[in-house]
Amino acid sequence: KQEVTQIPAALSVPEGENLVLNCSFTDSAIYNLQWFRQDPGKGLTSLLLIQSSQREQTSGRLNASLDKSSGRSTLYIAASQPGDSATYLCAVSGGSQGNLIFGKGTKLSVKP
Amino acid sequence: NAGVTQTPKFRVLKTGQSMTLLCAQDMNHEYMYWYRQDPGMGLRLIHYSVGEGTTAKGEVPDGYNVSRLKKQNFLLGLESAAPSQTSVYFCASSYSGQQIYGYTFGSGTRLTVV
Repeated sequence: KQEVTQIPAALSVPEGENLVLNCSFTDSAIYNLQWFRQDPGKGLTSLLLIQSSQREQTSGRLNASLDKSSGRSTLYIAASQPGDSATYLCAVSGGSQGNLIFGKGTKLSVKP
Repeated sequence: NAGVTQTPKFRVLKTGQSMTLLCAQDMNHEYMYWYRQDPGMGLRLIHYSVGEGTTAKGEVPDGYNVSRLKKQNFLLGLESAAPSQTSVYFCASSYSGQQIYGYTFGSGTRLTVV
């Protein structure tokens, strides 16, 4: 059974720092991996989608990498801002039906 | 704006009552999903649909039923609500199972069963 783990569970950094969020999964047979952002009381916003054949994706200050063989992904956030404060969720898709298996998230707080 | 719309946004039910949550998408997506999010448990799949007229069970289907009579709508029903069904429910849709274009989530329904 696929399991997704995110470390750390919570992270607090001063504004301007570069930071890395980690995601690991137990079964390397995935279609893709996605990173989402969730603000308190809100829905999920898709940040980056990495197909299984890709190594990384970039969007603005965000860069996500995927090492399928080792079952790991990282989300790199450059020059963090208070507006980046949110919970970041990692999810993998392993079946043709498209359902996602989620990690429990990393709660990020960026202090001004 | 194109996207996934969930109604209602909030609801309080008494134990044993029934209700239906509505999910509507206007992106012509084939695949639709219902997840629940609980503290410390993350998001878990309840039911999903791979096209109009189809439904299938996910990880935690007990106590729920679903229907997809129209491609754009996916309904989640609770026949006899229990306190264990207190949760935040999210609907999502995608173009295909391989999710070439990713997922789109609704804003959620916060349900409390007392």
